[in-house]
Amino acid sequence: IVMTQSPDSLAVSLGERATINCKSSQSVLYSSNNKNYFAWYQQKPGQPPKVLIYWASTRESGVPDRFTGSGSGTDFTLTISSLQAEDVAVYYCQQYYGTPYTFGQGTKLEIK
Amino acid sequence: QVQLVESGGGVVQPGRSLRLSCVASGFSFSSYGMHWVRQAPGKGLEWVAIIYHDGSVKYYGDSVRGRFTISRDNSENALYLQMNSLSGEDTAVYYCARDGASGSGGGFDYWGQGTLVTVSS
Repeated sequence: IVMTQSPDSLAVSLGERATINCKSSQSVLYSSNNKNYFAWYQQKPGQPPKVLIYWASTRESGVPDRFTGSGSGTDFTLTISSLQAEDVAVYYCQQYYGTPYTFGQGTKLEIK
Repeated sequence: QVQLVESGGGVVQPGRSLRLSCVASGFSFSSYGMHWVRQAPGKGLEWVAIIYHDGSVKYYGDSVRGRFTISRDNSENALYLQMNSLSGEDTAVYYCARDGASGSGGGFDYWGQGTLVTVSS
């Protein structure tokens, strides 16, 4: 399954909304449990990735509620409602529906 | 708290082998599937392999299948990656990560800090 993110980079003003999209080449929705096997990660320089969202829309414990995941099937979105300075990072989408588990190419988020 | 600590990285010549280790603590290691994920310098994330909680099932990425072997020792809370026939394309930071879907979460919910493998003559 190929994961394609857009855009590759994004510059947003502090306090403004940031939106990152991800499209999978096939559905990652498992019909038997109606779950999307899809996650979003944040990676800051020199650090390992950190899961933000899993099952497409479930926020990981401790993740600020300005981060929201949405979408189903093949099209997904990560929205940061009000950008903070600490949100500068590279964001990756991932499918864990089937092996090989694949990541998007990453979206670099910067402050405008 | 959950901790994953990788070790075993370093500089290795092309064609040689290396074994990475990941020691887990703070959770019931034998209940979780575990992954290796790598990241070449300045590049994105590439999934390498998964091993199920009991070691019964293993899957590999296309670029490493037949050269890398994932294994685990649940009595030692340890995960391993045996890497053979290394080439420059294997140069990367290697992370171990816990499979969140094995528990109440999803995705890869905990990651180690990574260990750098450099393949160079």
